[in-house]
Amino acid sequence: EAQVTQNPRYLITVTGKKLTVTCSQNMNHEYMSWYRQDPGLGLRQIYYSMNVEVTDKGDVPEGYKVSRKEKRNFPLILESPSPNQTSLYFCASSPLGGGVYNEQFFGPGTRLTVL
Amino acid sequence: DAKTTQPNSMESNEEEPVHLPCNHSTISGTDYIHWYRQLPSQGPEYVIHGLTSNVNNRMASLAIAEDRKSSTLILHRATLRDAAVYYCIRFDTGTASKLTFGTGTRLQVTL
Repeated sequence: EAQVTQNPRYLITVTGKKLTVTCSQNMNHEYMSWYRQDPGLGLRQIYYSMNVEVTDKGDVPEGYKVSRKEKRNFPLILESPSPNQTSLYFCASSPLGGGVYNEQFFGPGTRLTVL
Repeated sequence: DAKTTQPNSMESNEEEPVHLPCNHSTISGTDYIHWYRQLPSQGPEYVIHGLTSNVNNRMASLAIAEDRKSSTLILHRATLRDAAVYYCIRFDTGTASKLTFGTGTRLQVTL
């Protein structure tokens, strides 16, 4: 089944403890992206990647890192999480074109709580 | 800046058509209009997209105004499963990789 998977689905952590949220897609998509969703603010893009080894900032990249060493994986790294990063996170992928000409496929989401 | 304006909420009866409006008055000639929806406790789901002419697919129809300053997503027969938040997104081909969601329209469907 074509899908985007994220792990973990739920995570509670403490301020300053490094964490990684993994994202993997099995559709051989070039484009991958991370979003966060907060009440009243909708979805905001954090980082995106047009292809392997190519990443760029979205609208809210502060406090996050990403890497794209393989086409299928796009992990989101929080080096020193803070409470304002408590949010619902979505990973998405799309064929070449970054979603302009094609649909983006979203993962199920990761709910992160930073205490 | 979401660049699109949508009503916060709408209601519909089941089996009735639903017209979800979106205003994008500052749209440029190369911007695509995309619609996604988000069902409760799920990630966003692609619905439809278009540039100038009207578009149809198995889920919905997209009617784009002639001046492209507005568009309407049409669900031909709403079902309870269509209750979701619907996002209208203006996709700038110049900054194509940035997908900016607004706060969307929450659609309620009742029996």
